[in-house]
Amino acid sequence: AQSVTQLGSHVSVSEGALVLLRCNYSSSVPPYLFWYVQYPNQGLQLLLKYTSAATLVKGINGFEAEFKKSETSFHLTKPSAHMSDAAEYFCAVSGGSIYTGRRALTFGSGTRLQVQP
Amino acid sequence: GAGVSQTPSNKVTEKGKYVELRCDPISGHTALYWYRQSLGQGPEFLIYFQGTGAADDSGLPNDRFFAVRPEGSVSTLKIQRTERGDSAVYLCASSLDGTSGYNEQFFGPGTRLTVL
Repeated sequence: AQSVTQLGSHVSVSEGALVLLRCNYSSSVPPYLFWYVQYPNQGLQLLLKYTSAATLVKGINGFEAEFKKSETSFHLTKPSAHMSDAAEYFCAVSGGSIYTGRRALTFGSGTRLQVQP
Repeated sequence: GAGVSQTPSNKVTEKGKYVELRCDPISGHTALYWYRQSLGQGPEFLIYFQGTGAADDSGLPNDRFFAVRPEGSVSTLKIQRTERGDSAVYLCASSLDGTSGYNEQFFGPGTRLTVL
């Protein structure tokens, strides 16, 4: 079984400030982890993914995330927020062996990021 | 190239009616997924196709929901006897190969279904 918990349904930061969006996961098998972004009236877009290679993953638009197995976390960060980063962010998990496990994504409930001028 | 497309973009229907939602995946993608996103929630998995067959339909909420992908490309999600609780955005995604969970899924813009 897999699940994702995103702490904080709303996060507000000032332009230029650090962005930190939290994600904790639960998985009975080694997970693959993803962050997606959803802009208003647009489809989900992949920001970055962890697939058991490097634990620090760099994505698009200056975002990165670090996989910490001991903490079962995959928090998303960006050193300096831009107004254009305002959107809904979703953490997701998939994975499993070739015999079991869900190929589909299990999503968290999302975090809405607001960027104040 | 074209991304995942979904039609219609909006569908308003009355309680008890039948609806069909269509998904055109990216050409060459063998895996196709349907998700449902309610207001303020993350997408929830409904069904996954690998080729023409439904490899995992464990997310379908009940037998009113059914999906097909007869030629391994376009998929149709069918909902019978719609209920107000079916109102949501229905998302379709495709990936190159679904046999591994690490392939990126590309999402369509969704169909917003409203059941009156």
